Amino acid sequence: LAKTTQPISMDSYEGQEVNITCSHNNIATNDYITWYQQFPSQGPRFIIQGYKTKVTNEVASLFIPADRKSSTLSLPRVSLSDTAVYYCLVAREGGKLIFGQGTELSVKP
Amino acid sequence: EAGVTQFPSHSVIEKGQTVTLRCDPISGHDNLYWYRRVMGKEIKFLLHFVKESKQDESGMPNNRFLAERTGGTYSTLKVQPAELEDSGVYFCASSPDTNTEAFFGQGTRLTVV
Repeated sequence: LAKTTQPISMDSYEGQEVNITCSHNNIATNDYITWYQQFPSQGPRFIIQGYKTKVTNEVASLFIPADRKSSTLSLPRVSLSDTAVYYCLVAREGGKLIFGQGTELSVKP
Repeated sequence: EAGVTQFPSHSVIEKGQTVTLRCDPISGHDNLYWYRRVMGKEIKFLLHFVKESKQDESGMPNNRFLAERTGGTYSTLKVQPAELEDSGVYFCASSPDTNTEAFFGQGTRLTVV
């Protein structure tokens, strides 16, 4: 099973750009890379998904190099409300999500 | 549009009792998933329904857990008899197909004492 590795925690300040890198060395050809955000006492919430190169939406950007063994979630100009746990997942065929430990992002004023 | 709804939000039961968790997916979503986080560990997949059929139940820990999705709408997850190690947060998610985002409910916090 493809496993993801990401930093356990990160600190940032309001207004900064935050980049969280995730490694997934054993990613399979058919796997997508998906990022979720989770606030305390809530379920995970989808942020962005990609297969290769770069994907951007209104919330974040996702950078995936050609070998797809890593990916970087970029959050532009974070605010206090972006404090949460961010999960990098490899989405298997069939929709099954494999969660790792996640990165606890703390945004300070 | 209503999101994924889980009931109850919290449940405290004694070891050996039975508990049934319910999940109402987003209307029209054929895919329904159950996950759980126990003992502060990682969120783990339990099983996946496509409509009323179990597509993948490889994550079900043992035969004390029974999931159903009669009629392909809401789903229930029954734990019988509950053990202490079953304590944790149980999440339900749904999606219209397997390659798009999954929408999660807020979870049911189960405490077995």
